[in-house]
Amino acid sequence: DAGVIQSPRHEVTEMGQEVTLRCKPISGHDYLFWYRQTMMRGLELLIYFNNNVPIDDSGMPEDRFSAKMPNASFSTLKIQPSEPRDSAVYFCASSLYFRTPLHFGNGTRLTVT
Amino acid sequence: AQSVTQPDIHITVSEGASLELRCNYSYGATPYLFWYVQSPGQGLQLLLKYFSGDTLVQGIKGFEAEFKRSQSSFNLRKPSVHWSDAAEYFCAVGATIQGAQKLVFGQGTRLTINP
Repeated sequence: DAGVIQSPRHEVTEMGQEVTLRCKPISGHDYLFWYRQTMMRGLELLIYFNNNVPIDDSGMPEDRFSAKMPNASFSTLKIQPSEPRDSAVYFCASSLYFRTPLHFGNGTRLTVT
Repeated sequence: AQSVTQPDIHITVSEGASLELRCNYSYGATPYLFWYVQSPGQGLQLLLKYFSGDTLVQGIKGFEAEFKRSQSSFNLRKPSVHWSDAAEYFCAVGATIQGAQKLVFGQGTRLTINP
């Protein structure tokens, strides 16, 4: 099992540019989560999917953020346009069933200058 | 809404000493609880979980945690720490709210090990 795979590991971009983060969950996992980690706010849940359907996006900061899951093996988190305050580590996680532990990827460190 | 408090931002212990990391939660019903560990540049790894049953839960790497409903606590313990335990530790509480799965993390406790 390769675990949750995120790409890229690091992303540096200029303010106003579009950023796309990618995630491949563990095969067979029904749930996929996107979290953001910052020193100030800790780990925040942005959105999660069940069977490719978004269930709760109440944590998405604003309309500049969007997430999709076109199939069971791939999800994207897009920021357009990006701003310096979006700089953070973004984690993708997946879980097998409802209320089972999350398996995290190694994260994408985003820096917006 | 549920919340998690980890009162200690940073703890330093000597190698071989015992460890207790505190976690307090707020939730109206019985939550499900987790402890995760994060090494620098890595994602979070599950140490242990509590859903129901025995309130003393054993995890990986020699860690254990005890659920105390009366104190709304789920403290993490290890009898003797190793230098490799230096990391950041997160407590998380989960609950089902209006059919949605909510998992809220504490702010984390950074553990430093003195040789």
